[in-house]
Amino acid sequence: EPEVTQTPSHQVTQMGQEVILRCVPISNHLYFYWYRQILGQKVEFLVSFYNNEISEKSEIFDDQFSVERPDGSNFTLKIRSTKLEDSAMYFCASTRTSGTSTDTQYFGPGTRLTVL
Amino acid sequence: GDSVTQMEGPVTLSEEAFLTINCTYTATGYPSLFWYVQYPGEGLQLLLKATKADDKGSNKGFEATYRKETTSFHLEKGSVQVSDSAVYFCALSDSYKLSFGAGTTVTVRA
Repeated sequence: EPEVTQTPSHQVTQMGQEVILRCVPISNHLYFYWYRQILGQKVEFLVSFYNNEISEKSEIFDDQFSVERPDGSNFTLKIRSTKLEDSAMYFCASTRTSGTSTDTQYFGPGTRLTVL
Repeated sequence: GDSVTQMEGPVTLSEEAFLTINCTYTATGYPSLFWYVQYPGEGLQLLLKATKADDKGSNKGFEATYRKETTSFHLEKGSVQVSDSAVYFCALSDSYKLSFGAGTTVTVRA
């Protein structure tokens, strides 16, 4: 069964460094998402992406964050200058069709980001 | 904005016990409702969903019914197994993003 993959599974970085989290969505999916979960808190929506553009973003997704689909398979989240509070589990997700409320989002296993 | 309130955990049960996890929601439109499960060391997996009022989602012995009148989507399973130990998340989608509850950790003892 096709699945969403994410790399790395764990990333440790120093405060102020740039990190890129990588995701490979399911191959025929059209909408892509990033969520994060700070330890002990809810899973929070960051951004959705369709047709090489951001569709929607949350207040969390400020200028330090960017997303890109650099080729036909990868979907990346970049954090330009990491802060301690960026430490979290980051989940990538994708949906097959037009991104309406009924669509099932398929999640990757997550990347645990630790900022020291 | 849209929000989900989920029963606080952790919940510890014996095998073959009945499990209920309460979930209520607030939404301005007509959301779809989901239960996701996260097994230890793994990502979020869809357990079941319901896209309109009175729909019942079911999978792996779990069930949840979309109750618009009580704005609820409670998860139930009649006889849990040790393998059901996981974190369960209720979520809603009113557009193309998901809003999650806080998650309920369920531990089933043999």
